[in-house]
Amino acid sequence: AQTVTQSQPEMSVQEAETVTLSCTYDTSESDYYLFWYKQPPSRQMILVIRQEAYKQQNATENRFSVNFQKAAKSFSLKISDSQLGDAAMYFCAATTSGTYKYIFGTGTRLKVLA
Amino acid sequence: DTGVSQNPRHKITKRGQNVTFRCDPISEHNRLYWYRQTLGQGPEFLTYFQNEAQLEKSRLLSDRFSAERPKGSFSTLEIQRTEQGDSAMYLCASSSRTNSPLHFGNGTRLTVT
Repeated sequence: AQTVTQSQPEMSVQEAETVTLSCTYDTSESDYYLFWYKQPPSRQMILVIRQEAYKQQNATENRFSVNFQKAAKSFSLKISDSQLGDAAMYFCAATTSGTYKYIFGTGTRLKVLA
Repeated sequence: DTGVSQNPRHKITKRGQNVTFRCDPISEHNRLYWYRQTLGQGPEFLTYFQNEAQLEKSRLLSDRFSAERPKGSFSTLEIQRTEQGDSAMYLCASSSRTNSPLHFGNGTRLTVT
């Protein structure tokens, strides 16, 4: 069975600082895809970043980057130069080629302090 | 790209009533998903359509839940004989290819009193 675990229910970061959100996953498949989604309060969920398991290079999108440790089954999100608009729930998700499901973690609430 | 549209945004119903939600995916997306999200939890998979075919349904979904996607365009999710435990946010998402990112709608928040 495929599982995604986020062990940090809540994190805080000072504006302009860097924060790392943790995610671990478990799958027996070799071909899988990992995602980080952001869900601002009362707003729709949007994609932050995506990582294909077969790629060794960590994905980056502007201030957002991942640390993908395949052997450890770890997929953490680093947010640099944090901004007030980064405050949201962040969900880690995974899917494999053998299923249609995208499995989500329980989320991490990120607070950005001015 | 007009985004995924869900209606209504909010629905309050009394226990035992039937409710129906609608989802309009991004027009060129043939894959459509329904998820349920309760407070403090991540989205939980309910069902998946590829075009008009319902290819996967969660075992957690009771017989009171049914979803359709006639003609492979919009989709409806119906809950019959609602229970208080059905209170949640119901999210619809669509995608264009297998393993590509999901595009979510704003969700329908259901409150069963």
